[in-house]
Amino acid sequence: NAGVMQNPRHLVRRRGQEARLRCSPMKGHSHVYWYRQLPEEGLKFMVYLQKENIIDESGMPKERFSAEFPKEGPSILRIQQVVRGDSAAYFCASSPGSGTNNEQFFGPGTRLTVL
Amino acid sequence: GEDVEQSLFLSVREGDSSVINCTYTDSSSTYLYWYKQEPGAGLQLLTYIFSNMDMKQDQRLTVLLNKKDKHLSLRIADTQTGDSAIYFCAETGNAGNNRKLIWGLGTSLAVNP
Repeated sequence: NAGVMQNPRHLVRRRGQEARLRCSPMKGHSHVYWYRQLPEEGLKFMVYLQKENIIDESGMPKERFSAEFPKEGPSILRIQQVVRGDSAAYFCASSPGSGTNNEQFFGPGTRLTVL
Repeated sequence: GEDVEQSLFLSVREGDSSVINCTYTDSSSTYLYWYKQEPGAGLQLLTYIFSNMDMKQDQRLTVLLNKKDKHLSLRIADTQTGDSAIYFCAETGNAGNNRKLIWGLGTSLAVNP
């Protein structure tokens, strides 16, 4: 049973380009969370999705960032027109859903570097 | 608002016990977690505790929860060099659909031989 998969593991973009980060949850998990870890800081919640629905996007910057979790395929975090301040590690986590202890299983992260 | 605080650094000698402390503000927290992050790696769930418990033990790990003071601690017995990592405290409410984790900044544990 594969864990949470994220790709790419490392992504380098120039300012103004787009970054697309992918997350495949664990098998049977229908809840996905995205967190961002800035250098030397803790994790900050960005967005919580279930299949085809955004449940809580209170941590997402209002501009340039979007997320989706389609019926088929991985969850995508998309950052348009990247700036240097977007350089961070982006972690995806998944959980089975309601009625659990909300244990979230984390992927290895995507480390985005904006030049 | 919700907030989680931890001390940033802890240094111990190999074989000693480590105690990492955390305070939180959200009184509706139902679960509290300890995660471990090794350099350049993802996050590994070490243990969690439900808010109606005050202690949980799992091999070398002991979690203590003082709900009145909103204080959580993680004790690692017989600390080894392989325990050197950053330890994050996190909490989640259970208010409807709010399942996001609120994180502390992490405590960097250094284990000296």
